[in-house]
Amino acid sequence: EAQVTQNPRYLITVTGKKLTVTCSQNMNHEYMSWYRQDPGLGLRQIYYSMNVEVTDKGDVPEGYKVSRKEKRNFPLILESPSPNQTSLYFCASSPLDSNYEQYFGPGTRLTVT
Amino acid sequence: QKEVEQDPGPLSVPEGAIVSLNCTYSNSAFQYFMWYRQYSRKGPELLMYTYSSGNKEDGRFTAQVDKSSKYISLFIRDSQPSDSATYLCAMSDQTGANNLFFGTGTRLTVIP
Repeated sequence: EAQVTQNPRYLITVTGKKLTVTCSQNMNHEYMSWYRQDPGLGLRQIYYSMNVEVTDKGDVPEGYKVSRKEKRNFPLILESPSPNQTSLYFCASSPLDSNYEQYFGPGTRLTVT
Repeated sequence: QKEVEQDPGPLSVPEGAIVSLNCTYSNSAFQYFMWYRQYSRKGPELLMYTYSSGNKEDGRFTAQVDKSSKYISLFIRDSQPSDSATYLCAMSDQTGANNLFFGTGTRLTVIP
């Protein structure tokens, strides 16, 4: 089954404790992206990647890091989480030549206390 | 001014009603127009996609693009409780680049 998986689905952590949210896709997509979704603000892009070893900032990159060492994986790293990073996070992927069709993961609900 | 504006609702309609969801945009270069549906506690999924202007129909769903007014619509006929979800419009001017703009979403509830 073609899918984007994220782990964990739910995470409660404390300020300053480094965490990683994993994202993996099995569709051989070049393009991958991370979004956060907050009430009233919609989806905001954090980082994106056009291909392996090619990453760039989205609209709200502060406090986040990513890496793309393999085509299928695109982990999101929060080195020192803060309460304002409490949000719902989505990973997405698409073929580069049709990136209007994004395939989203199931989401990760993160709470930072 | 945001690239894409969408009324957040919420919108509640009785089962069987015709639903109209709308977005406006400011960038006349947009060529790809999408509607995503997001059920509660799930990721968005692509519902319909239209290239350039005109109408596209898929079952009970019709997507309409009016480029002269910079306005897109999604119509749902004979709405069902299973249509209850948040609907996000999205737009892009080209493929192969990071340039997908989402609306904030309209939350729809269809009451049985």
